[in-house]
Amino acid sequence: AQSVTQPDIHITVSEGASLELRCNYSYGATPYLFWYVQSPGQGLQLLLKYFSGDTLVQGIKGFEAEFKRSQSSFNLRKPSVHWSDAAEYFCAVGSPNTGGFKTIFGAGTRLFVKA
Amino acid sequence: SAVISQKPSRDICQRGTSLTIQCQVDSQVTMMFWYRQQPGQSLTLIATANQGSEATYESGFVIDKFPISRPNLTFSTLTVSNMSPEDSSIYLCSVELAESSYEQYFGPGTRLTVT
Repeated sequence: AQSVTQPDIHITVSEGASLELRCNYSYGATPYLFWYVQSPGQGLQLLLKYFSGDTLVQGIKGFEAEFKRSQSSFNLRKPSVHWSDAAEYFCAVGSPNTGGFKTIFGAGTRLFVKA
Repeated sequence: SAVISQKPSRDICQRGTSLTIQCQVDSQVTMMFWYRQQPGQSLTLIATANQGSEATYESGFVIDKFPISRPNLTFSTLTVSNMSPEDSSIYLCSVELAESSYEQYFGPGTRLTVT
């Protein structure tokens, strides 16, 4: 069965510092991988996705993620964090399914940004 | 992208009553999804709602408790029936804009508190 693990419940970084949020997945075939961000009181917004091809994918808001098959990981990175990046980040894995496409979300990592 | 709205944005309800949540999209979509996000937790898929067919429910969710309607390609409702305090959650609808894109766009959510 598919699963997604985000080992860090919360992370605090200083504004301007670099960021890496960890994500590990379990899936038998090549996974469809996503990172979503949820700001307080908002729905989720797609940051980036990986389906195939180049293992380093660029997303919106200056985020990138790298797919590493050998480590079953899809970590999210940003070189310089802004205070507005404080939010909850969800890694997700999806697969085509009978009747559609099913997405499994990780537990989330809450990012705090300190001045 | 798409503009997705949900009504109500929040509600406080008494146990034993029912609440119907509306989800409206500004473009026609085939796939719509309903999720539950319990306090401090990740998203759990309740059901997939395709226009013209019965909703497909995930394990642990039943139609009698969470009836869903999908009358057209821009609208869906989720009813939370015979509510108990355990139903207190944020309920999110999402859509897949382009068939087989596997990207989901989320509404802002409905925050439900059951007393």
